[in-house]
Amino acid sequence: AQSVSQHNHHVILSEAASLELGCNYSYGGTVNLFWYVQYPGQHLQLLLKYFSGDPLVKGIKGFEAEFIKSKFSFNLRKPSVQWSDTAEYFCAASSGSARQLTFGSGTQLTVLP
Amino acid sequence: EPEVTQTPSHQVTQMGQEVILRCVPISNHLYFYWYRQILGQKVEFLVSFYNNEISEKSEIFDDQFSVERPDGSNFTLKIRSTKLEDSAMYFCASGTKETQYFGPGTRLLVL
Repeated sequence: AQSVSQHNHHVILSEAASLELGCNYSYGGTVNLFWYVQYPGQHLQLLLKYFSGDPLVKGIKGFEAEFIKSKFSFNLRKPSVQWSDTAEYFCAASSGSARQLTFGSGTQLTVLP
Repeated sequence: EPEVTQTPSHQVTQMGQEVILRCVPISNHLYFYWYRQILGQKVEFLVSFYNNEISEKSEIFDDQFSVERPDGSNFTLKIRSTKLEDSAMYFCASGTKETQYFGPGTRLLVL
């Protein structure tokens, strides 16, 4: 069965620290990958997406993610986090032409000022 | 920037009652979705809708669920006879072929 795993449930960082959130997927065939963010009290917002091409994807707010096919991974990174990055981050995937998203369990990021 | 909106934000209902959750997708989107998140669990796909019909549905989306696009703007999810385990946050999304944009959710509590 298709699945997405996020092994970090809660990450706490100080401002200016570098961030890497792990995401692994289990899919056969073509996979499309996404990172969504949910700020406190707000709805899910798309940070970035990967369909094909350059495996290093740049998103909004200075985030980027790298698709590593051999590791079935799509980790989210940011070189220097800010207090305003405190939020829950969700990795999601869809398979080929199917559009339904399979979500990971989410990672709560807390950035201390 | 246009957003997906959902009403109500919260709904409390008695077990066995029917509920209708409403969504207004972004106006030029053609694909519509419902997801739900039971407290403490992952966001789960329920159903997708395109060209006035269901295009994909999960095992969760059984006969007690239905979706409808009654007019050009609204997209509704109906639960015919609610069960305790239907208590969850229900998210609507609309999108293009590639990307989905989510609404703020409706928190449904079944007593």
